[in-house]
Amino acid sequence: TQLLEQSPQFLSIQEGENLTVYCNSSSVFSSLQWYRQEPGEGPVLLVTVVTGGEVKKLKRLTFQFGDARKDSSLHITAAQPGDTGLYLCAGAGAGSYQLTFGKGTKLSVIP
Amino acid sequence: ETGVTQTPRHLVMGMTNKKSLKCEQHLGHNAMYWYKQSAKKPLELMFVYNFKEQTENNSVPSRFSPECPNSSHLFLHLHTLQPEDSALYLCASSHPPPGRGGTEAFFGQGTRLTVV
Repeated sequence: TQLLEQSPQFLSIQEGENLTVYCNSSSVFSSLQWYRQEPGEGPVLLVTVVTGGEVKKLKRLTFQFGDARKDSSLHITAAQPGDTGLYLCAGAGAGSYQLTFGKGTKLSVIP
Repeated sequence: ETGVTQTPRHLVMGMTNKKSLKCEQHLGHNAMYWYKQSAKKPLELMFVYNFKEQTENNSVPSRFSPECPNSSHLFLHLHTLQPEDSALYLCASSHPPPGRGGTEAFFGQGTRLTVV
């Protein structure tokens, strides 16, 4: 069974601060995705990383896939209240129909 | 708007009721999924359909019965549920499935189910 551990579970920061969220596993994934979910809504895809060591940027968000494709990080620069939400990482195993999700990191950005 | 629409958004049902959740996607995807999201647990995959054929059933109790009449529509039929089945039920689609060199999963807004 593939497991994804996300840390921290909860994070409350002031507007303008930087933060990093981690997603770790002992399993290798063919790709890894990050989603953001707001209360009462479905997860919305932010990014997919496929190649070990890959770095992708989405405005103030920077995503990195580990060299061994077992872990990933999400860094947010100068957090804004609009960044508040549940951040989920999900990994896809090669040849699998299944996405394995982490429990998520609940981020609150205080104005 | 992700192109995946779920109805109803909210549902309250008694343990003896029968109800159905509906999901529709207009993205031309071939794979559709049902997920369950409970408090303090990761998203749990329930069922996978690829080209209308069920490819995975993750040990889901028989009180949940999926139906996929075509690649655009997915149903989850519910009967004699328990209070612990209360959760957010999410539908998703992708083309092809994520682990087969495919694209990402797109989720609907979910149905918030409460069993009383």
